[in-house]
Amino acid sequence: QKEVEQDPGPLSVPEGAIVSLNCTYSNSAFQYFMWYRQYSRKGPELLMYTYSSGNKEDGRFTAQVDKSSKYISLFIRDSQPSDSATYLCAMGEDTGKLIFGQGTTLQVKP
Amino acid sequence: DTGVSQNPRHKITKRGQNVTFRCDPISEHNRLYWYRQTLGQGPEFLTYFQNEAQLEKSRLLSDRFSAERPKGSFSTLEIQRTEQGDSAMYLCASRLEGVLSYEQYFGPGTRLTVT
Repeated sequence: QKEVEQDPGPLSVPEGAIVSLNCTYSNSAFQYFMWYRQYSRKGPELLMYTYSSGNKEDGRFTAQVDKSSKYISLFIRDSQPSDSATYLCAMGEDTGKLIFGQGTTLQVKP
Repeated sequence: DTGVSQNPRHKITKRGQNVTFRCDPISEHNRLYWYRQTLGQGPEFLTYFQNEAQLEKSRLLSDRFSAERPKGSFSTLEIQRTEQGDSAMYLCASRLEGVLSYEQYFGPGTRLTVT
């Protein structure tokens, strides 16, 4: 079993929809949680970073962490075609090394 | 542009050749990480440095791989006697170590194709 599980999709939604992306994990030692966006053949771009359970909002993006259930989510409101990309969840411990999910491919159709 | 640069962006090499990649982190960042990403997968951790010290190596980093970070600035990742299974995107990330500061910023990656 992988330490971090993420549904690879693909996920296809119409423009303006609310998108929900999720990851589960098994390692209770993970302390911080990140979401990256990656366009084809580019490096991952940091979108959201959270250190504790709860919600964090940044513009159209909301990250949610539930440590008791070992479950994290990313919500995208009013999705745009430019949001079409692969979304990677990542989590880590003190060393800083990140363990990534497989990534979910999102397509937002105009 | 995150401020992390990697060169070359794309490298094509023949099986058995040696290749070297370079990463220049964000200037004040003291931690530098290398990851490998294959098609359809998330990045996998390879190794990391704090300043010039290499603190951890993944079991993915076979003895054909070596990484250095002289003087705690840029880093190089060398693969000797490349194999077709080494074909992947090699990503570098950097971070400033500090209390509750875990954000890692990635470079654009070096795509390696071994023929």
